[in-house]
Amino acid sequence: DVKVTQSSRYLVKRTGEKVFLECVQDMDHENMFWYRQDPGLGLRLIYFSYDVKMKEKGDIPEGYSVSREKKERFSLILESASTNQTSMYLCASSPVGGDTQYFGPGTRLTVL
Amino acid sequence: SQQGEEDPQALSIQEGENATMNCSYKTSINNLQWYRQNSGRGLVHLILIRSNEREKHSGRLRVTLDTSKKSSSLLITASRAADTASYFCATDDYQLTFGKGTKLSVIP
Repeated sequence: DVKVTQSSRYLVKRTGEKVFLECVQDMDHENMFWYRQDPGLGLRLIYFSYDVKMKEKGDIPEGYSVSREKKERFSLILESASTNQTSMYLCASSPVGGDTQYFGPGTRLTVL
Repeated sequence: SQQGEEDPQALSIQEGENATMNCSYKTSINNLQWYRQNSGRGLVHLILIRSNEREKHSGRLRVTLDTSKKSSSLLITASRAADTASYFCATDDYQLTFGKGTKLSVIP
């Protein structure tokens, strides 16, 4: 079975801090994705990556950056966290040409 | 990017009843997928239906797709308390775009 893990289930940070959210998948998938999920807004795509060192902006990339140095790992970076980035963050992966995405358990981030 | 819209936003039924959720979308798609999310967890893929398919079954799940109406429905038959979750449709053109979900509560 595909396993996607995220570094933390819950995270509390202060405004202005630099925040790293890590995602690791064990199925050698080429594609990886970061979403945020907010009540009433559903899932919105922040960034995605089709290969190592490749990244593409999603629908809401402002305030975020990503890093993909290894195939299995995709990191989401909040350079200077703000309260409006309080959200549930979900990572997903899929194989090249694959339709289905496999999700991690999510990280609930609170920025105070 | 386009977005699927689920209807209803929330649904409460008794155990054993059938649950039907609908999804509408705006433009052409390659396929449409349904995902489930238990409270506070990640999403789990349930079923995928391609644009040239009209109906698909998987266990107690039945999905229909009407491309002329740009709509899909997910039917869960003989619901169980464990089916309580949020259900999302996701449309796939060049990227996967999720709707806002239907929150299903199955009362024992």
